[in-house]
Amino acid sequence: GESVGLHLPTLSVQEGDNSIINCAYSNSASDYFIWYKQESGKGPQFIIDIRSNMDKRQGQRVTVLLNKTVKHLSLQIAATQPGDSAVYFCAEGTGKLIFGQGTTLQVKP
Amino acid sequence: EAQVTQNPRYLITVTGKKLTVTCSQNMNHEYMSWYRQDPGLGLRQIYYSMNVEVTDKGDVPEGYKVSRKEKRNFPLILESPSPNQTSLYFCASSFGQANTEAFFGQGTRLTVV
Repeated sequence: GESVGLHLPTLSVQEGDNSIINCAYSNSASDYFIWYKQESGKGPQFIIDIRSNMDKRQGQRVTVLLNKTVKHLSLQIAATQPGDSAVYFCAEGTGKLIFGQGTTLQVKP
Repeated sequence: EAQVTQNPRYLITVTGKKLTVTCSQNMNHEYMSWYRQDPGLGLRQIYYSMNVEVTDKGDVPEGYKVSRKEKRNFPLILESPSPNQTSLYFCASSFGQANTEAFFGQGTRLTVV
C-alpha cells in the first residue's frame, strides 16, 4: 500500500542553525504534499504545502523541496528558534491524507 | 476565528461505558474525519464524512461509530470502549478529501480502564 515515511525520528539542532527534515513517499502518482507541525498538547497545524508541478515552495522561514525522481521531500527551517520545537509530519494528500510517523525537532539554546 | 473544536479534551472512562466525543467546525467544510494517534503508529484515520449524512470507514474503524446530521458537527461514538481504544483522538475538517489542507482540533486524550 501507499506509505509516507520520515528518515529520522529525532533531530536536534542549535538555536539559529537551519533544520532539514526529510520525508520519503512510495506512490509515484502522488501530487500533493503537506507539512504539519504538532506542538505538545496540540493538534497538527498546517505549515506549507506543495504540488507536484513544483520543485520548491517558500513560506516564512520555511522551504519545502520536492524531488519526484526519488520520491523525496524535505522541510527546511531557517534560523531555527525554540518555538520551532515540535513534531513535524509530512503527509501525502492526493487522495485521503496519509501521514508519516513524525520527526521530533529539538532546539538547543 | 476559524477552528475545529473537540470536547472533552481529557476523558477517563471504564470498559464498556458508552461515550461520545464531540467535534464542531465553523469553516463550512464539507469533509470531516477522525484520527487516532498512537506512539510508533502515527495518525490513522478512523472514519470520515464527505458531507451531511455521508460517512465511511477509514483505516481503523472497528469499535467506533460516527454520525453527520449537520455540516458543522461530526461526533465520534464509542459504544463499548475497551482499553485498546486508549489513545489521542483528533478531529479534522477540510473543504475536500484531497488536495487541500486539513484543520485539526486540539485533541482528546482518552483513557479506558
